[in-house]
Amino acid sequence: QKEVEQDPGPLSVPEGAIVSLNCTYSNSAFQYFMWYRQYSRKGPELLMYTYSSGNKEDGRFTAQVDKSSKYISLFIRDSQPSDSATYLCAMSRMDSNYQLIWGAGTKLIIKP
Amino acid sequence: EADIYQTPRYLVIGTGKKITLECSQTMGHDKMYWYQQDPGMELHLIHYSYGVNSTEKGDLSSESTVSRIRTEHFPLTLESARPSHTSQYLCASSGDISTDTQYFGPGTRLTVL
Repeated sequence: QKEVEQDPGPLSVPEGAIVSLNCTYSNSAFQYFMWYRQYSRKGPELLMYTYSSGNKEDGRFTAQVDKSSKYISLFIRDSQPSDSATYLCAMSRMDSNYQLIWGAGTKLIIKP
Repeated sequence: EADIYQTPRYLVIGTGKKITLECSQTMGHDKMYWYQQDPGMELHLIHYSYGVNSTEKGDLSSESTVSRIRTEHFPLTLESARPSHTSQYLCASSGDISTDTQYFGPGTRLTVL
């Protein structure tokens, strides 16, 4: 079983919808949680990161961590066709030298 | 803004050739990584380095080798390319010890005929 599980999708939603992307993890020692966005044929780019539990908001994006359920989410409000990309979650913990462990990525398609 | 560069961006080469994929960063980051990613598939860590003269193999078995003689430079070498090496290769660096926030280059798309 993988340490970080992420539904590969694709997830297809109409423009303007609220999108919810999720990851689950098995090791409660994870401390830092990140979301990356990857456009086709490009390298991933960091969207946001959070430490431990709670929410973090940046414009239309909100990252949420629920450590009790070992579950993290990325919400995108007022989704745009330009948000169409693959979204990868990643997380790190002290006992693995904080090296990032990656989810497989969810492909998101926003239909105009 | 992350400054990490990869060359070449695209490479088509015949079987048996030796190739080196270049990766450079100007941020002074100690940690650097090489990932392999097939289209639409997940990232696989093939090599990483925690600093000069430090190199480690990642989770994915790879026939490639790396070196880290300078902080800013982390080249990846394939001694004898094969069609199974056809993939996208992504280089990343990280300067944050606790979060390991990684910044990626644009990638090298390798095709071995």
